[in-house]
Amino acid sequence: QKEVEQNSGPLSVPEGAIASLNCTYSDRGSQSFFWYRQYSGKSPELIMFIYSNGDKEDGRFTAQLNKASQYVSLLIRDSQPSDSATYLCAVITDSWGKFQFGAGTQVVVTP
Amino acid sequence: KAGVTQTPRYLIKTRGQQVTLSCSPISGHRSVSWYQQTPGQGLQFLFEYFSETQRNKGNFPGRFSGRQFSNSRSEMNVSTLELGDSALYLCASSSDSQETQYFGPGTRLLVL
Repeated sequence: QKEVEQNSGPLSVPEGAIASLNCTYSDRGSQSFFWYRQYSGKSPELIMFIYSNGDKEDGRFTAQLNKASQYVSLLIRDSQPSDSATYLCAVITDSWGKFQFGAGTQVVVTP
Repeated sequence: KAGVTQTPRYLIKTRGQQVTLSCSPISGHRSVSWYQQTPGQGLQFLFEYFSETQRNKGNFPGRFSGRQFSNSRSEMNVSTLELGDSALYLCASSSDSQETQYFGPGTRLLVL
């Protein structure tokens, strides 16, 4: 079982709709969770991080964390074609701060 | 602040050769992590260096090695290259007080 799992997609989303991405993790002791966006041929860039249960909003992005169920999600509101990318979920899985990345979910926003 | 830089950006090598990649972290960041990214395997953690010491290591063969210098710049070396080593190699840096990793542009290695 992989430590961090994501649906690979592609997730097709009409422009203006909400894209919902999910990520589950296996290490119950994980404390820090990150979402990165990666455009084709580029390196990952941080979108947001979340440490506490609940929702965290930043512009059109909302991260949701549920430690009891061991999942973290990302919502993208008012999706734009420029949001078409692969979204990587990352979890810090031990006290040394080692990042574990999911395989990523490809999002395609269609005009 | 300048971001993470990596050199070279592109590299073509042949099987059996060795290669050294370089990463300069964001100023003040002492942690540097290296990743290999391939279409089939996603982002795979290679190792992390902090204050010139390897702090974490992934599940890669001994052909993959690294080091970090006193100015926090890091190098990664791959010896006896194989075709399967063709990938995008990314480094990321983070500060002592913040866990977030910031990625460099990557080095795209092609092994022929």
